[in-house]
Amino acid sequence: EAQVTQNPRYLITVTGKKLTVTCSQNMNHEYMSWYRQDPGLGLRQIYYSMNVEVTDKGDVPEGYKVSRKEKRNFPLILESPSPNQTSLYFCATRGASEINEQFFGPGTRLTVL
Amino acid sequence: KQEVTQIPAALSVPEGENLVLNCSFTDSAIYNLQWFRQDPGKGLTSLLLIQSSQREQTSGRLNASLDKSSGRSTLYIAASQPGDSATYLCAVEGGGFKTIFGAGTRLFVKA
Repeated sequence: EAQVTQNPRYLITVTGKKLTVTCSQNMNHEYMSWYRQDPGLGLRQIYYSMNVEVTDKGDVPEGYKVSRKEKRNFPLILESPSPNQTSLYFCATRGASEINEQFFGPGTRLTVL
Repeated sequence: KQEVTQIPAALSVPEGENLVLNCSFTDSAIYNLQWFRQDPGKGLTSLLLIQSSQREQTSGRLNASLDKSSGRSTLYIAASQPGDSATYLCAVEGGGFKTIFGAGTRLFVKA
C-alpha cells in the first residue's frame, strides 16, 4: 500500500530541546516536502527536496533544517524549538513529473511550551 | 510572489444543491493546480489535479476547471451530500516543487 508515514504523530516538548520529525515514503517518489498548517494562515511550505541531497527553502524555512540522504526519508529538524513553532506539520511527496499528484502524510501535531 | 485566494471562506448549503468553489492565483506561470479535501483534524486527500496545459478534470461528482491566463480555477460539486462537508483547499505548484496553498473554503452541507 502506498504510504507516507510521519513520526511522531503527537509531540509536546519544551523550548530549546532539539527534536526531529521523521517522514518516510514507500512510493519511490523523487519530490518530498514539509508544510506547517496554522489557523488563519493555512498551509505554508517549509522546505522541499527534488531528490537525494537536493533541498530548497519554501516560504517559512526559519528555525528548521532538513536533510535528504536517502530517497525514502526526509526528516524535519528543529534545533531549538520555540513556542511559535507550535503547529500541525505535514509531509508530502510526489513523483518527478508535475503531472503527478502530491500525497500527504497524516500530520504531526507539535506543541512547544 | 505567488498568492492564492479562495472564495468564499465558508459556505453552507442544503443537501442536493450544486455548488462552485473558487480559487484565484496571481502568477500564471504554474505547473499544475491541485484541489484537496481536508476533514477536521485530518490530513489532506487529493481530489483532482489539473496540469497547466489542461482546461478541466472530472472525477465523479467533481469537476475542476483551470483558466491559467486569468489566474482562476473552480471546483464544481454536483448534487452535494452531507458527506461532502469538509474544508476544500487549492494548491498551485510553480517551478520545482514550490507550492502555495489557498486558505481554503469550509463547506457545510445540511441534511
